[in-house]
Amino acid sequence: DAGVIQSPRHEVTEMGQEVTLRCKPISGHDYLFWYRQTMMRGLELLIYFNNNVPIDDSGMPEDRFSAKMPNASFSTLKIQPSEPRDSAVYFCASSLGTGKETQYFGPGTRLLVL
Amino acid sequence: QKEVEQNSGPLSVPEGAIASLNCTYSDRGSQSFFWYRQYSGKSPELIMSIYSNGDKEDGRFTAQLNKASQYVSLLIRDSQPSDSATYLCAATGGGADGLTFGKGTHLIIQP
Repeated sequence: DAGVIQSPRHEVTEMGQEVTLRCKPISGHDYLFWYRQTMMRGLELLIYFNNNVPIDDSGMPEDRFSAKMPNASFSTLKIQPSEPRDSAVYFCASSLGTGKETQYFGPGTRLLVL
Repeated sequence: QKEVEQNSGPLSVPEGAIASLNCTYSDRGSQSFFWYRQYSGKSPELIMSIYSNGDKEDGRFTAQLNKASQYVSLLIRDSQPSDSATYLCAATGGGADGLTFGKGTHLIIQP
């Protein structure tokens, strides 16, 4: 059974460019989460969706970040324009619910903004 | 602001000994707690979850929860070099809520 799929695995871009990260959750999971991990701040929740609807985007750092989930099997996280401080590993996770349900993480996208 | 605090380490433990990892959380409304293991360059994977006060055992791992003290711990018995990783503590509330993670404790098991 396929786990959470993320693409690309690595992304190097220049400051000011648009970056789009993609995620396919585990089939049947109705919650999808986007996290960002840095050495300084650890693993932070950016936004999460339930049944394709954004529930909590309070972790999105600023308006340069946007996320969509057009259907149950696909989500994007977009950064426009990108800045060097956006360099981090971005993880997507999915689960059957919140609370006691396990979140399963994808392999992550390692983003470097020059 | 919900916070989960962990000692960043590194925590060095000899092979075969018990490794003890600790975590405190600020939100008294937190109801579910998780320990994730993350190897360098990999994604977090769930080791244990605990929801009630007391101990929960699973193989070599024991999670302990004390809601009055807002304290969660993970014990790893018979530590193996393969246990060397960063251990992330996470908490969530009872409703529709994402996970709040600590920054993790880097554990090193010395052969």
